[in-house]
Amino acid sequence: DAGVTQSPTHLIKTRGQHVTLRCSPISGHKSVSWYQQVLGQGPQFIFQYYEKEERGRGNFPDRFSARQFPNYSSELNVNALLLGDSALYLCASSQTGLAGTQYFGPGTRLLVL
Amino acid sequence: SQQGEEDPQALSIQEGENATMNCSYKTSINNLQWYRQNSGRGLVHLILIRSNEREKHSGRLRVTLDTSKKSSSLLITASRAADTASYFCATDQHNYGQNFVFGPGTRLSVLP
Repeated sequence: DAGVTQSPTHLIKTRGQHVTLRCSPISGHKSVSWYQQVLGQGPQFIFQYYEKEERGRGNFPDRFSARQFPNYSSELNVNALLLGDSALYLCASSQTGLAGTQYFGPGTRLLVL
Repeated sequence: SQQGEEDPQALSIQEGENATMNCSYKTSINNLQWYRQNSGRGLVHLILIRSNEREKHSGRLRVTLDTSKKSSSLLITASRAADTASYFCATDQHNYGQNFVFGPGTRLSVLP
């Protein structure tokens, strides 16, 4: 089975722009969660969706939003990009939500200039 | 505030030696998980230990959990150069909805 896939792999944007990151979970997984990882730090939880409903939200501003589609794929949107949004964005899928094993994709590396 | 914290931040050992990393957390948890990350890419799940378990093994990995001290340890025995990576603990928490908290990680270097 294919693992979690994310697109694009790399992205360069300028301040003030908007970005959309995409994630496809492992087949059969209904939970998708998003994380931001700044260089040298651990991942920070942004959102979790289960069965297309938001089940968890980390301490991120409203510029960050996400949604999950009927096929359980997900998008993370970030508006009004700041330099500090430069990071590796990771998506993970799970069968049972945050209480179960999270399977991570390779990430999208975002650089904001 | 940082909920999960690994100790030490960096560890350098010789091949064949054992590596021990510790993790502390601050709130009640359902389970604790350990992950490995190579070169800033995706994380690989290593092991999950539930709050009612005290010790778990998987191959060369041994994880302990002490809920009274809110701490966990990861032991890698007979380390190999391929074990060089960053190791993170993560806990699922139920403060104001669901949340999944990673520590800052331990950077392990295994020298040949």
